[in-house]
Amino acid sequence: DGGITQSPKYLFRKEGQNVTLSCEQNLNHDAMYWYRQDPGQGLRLIYYSQIVNDFQKGDIAEGYSVSREKKESFPLTVTSAQKNPTAFYLCASSILRNTEAFFGQGTRLTVV
Amino acid sequence: AQKITQTQPGMFVQEKEAVTLDCTYDTSDQSYGLFWYKQPSSGEMIFLIYQGSYDEQNATEGRYSLNFQKARKSANLVISASQLGDSAMYFCAMREDAGNNRKLIWGLGTSLAVNP
Repeated sequence: DGGITQSPKYLFRKEGQNVTLSCEQNLNHDAMYWYRQDPGQGLRLIYYSQIVNDFQKGDIAEGYSVSREKKESFPLTVTSAQKNPTAFYLCASSILRNTEAFFGQGTRLTVV
Repeated sequence: AQKITQTQPGMFVQEKEAVTLDCTYDTSDQSYGLFWYKQPSSGEMIFLIYQGSYDEQNATEGRYSLNFQKARKSANLVISASQLGDSAMYFCAMREDAGNNRKLIWGLGTSLAVNP
């Protein structure tokens, strides 16, 4: 079945550590996105990529980094520079210039 | 300024009744798209329905319909014959088509509870 897979579902990190969230899609979509969701808030865009080896900052990119070496993969690294990383992270993809985006099941990151 | 406004933080509906979730948007673009997504407690975001700014007919997908009033800049979601499984958060989003940066702008969501 085609879809987007995020892993892990739950992630715990100690303060000061970098951590990488995985996102893989087999939908052959060109565009991929990372969102952050906090309680009581809508989704906020962290980074997006419209093509391999290219990505753009979203609205809250500080403290995060991404790579897009393959069309299928768009990992997100939460660095120690991110002051408040505890949140729910959603990855999505869409056919470039198409309509809906498809989402993964999310990763809940907790800093302990 | 908020580009997507969902004024109802929480809504209740009786099972089998219809419910309307409000969404207003703000854009100066002529070409844009409007989306509704459902987020159950499991967390995944599920696409429900899409309306393009040039679409003359209101979009429908099964029990979901979008009441698109362009002059009022509103795109309300109507769920007919509510089911217990419809209890979830519902998000309205807009894609502005100007330029190359096609991002979605999200509302804060409406929590819907369906009562048996």
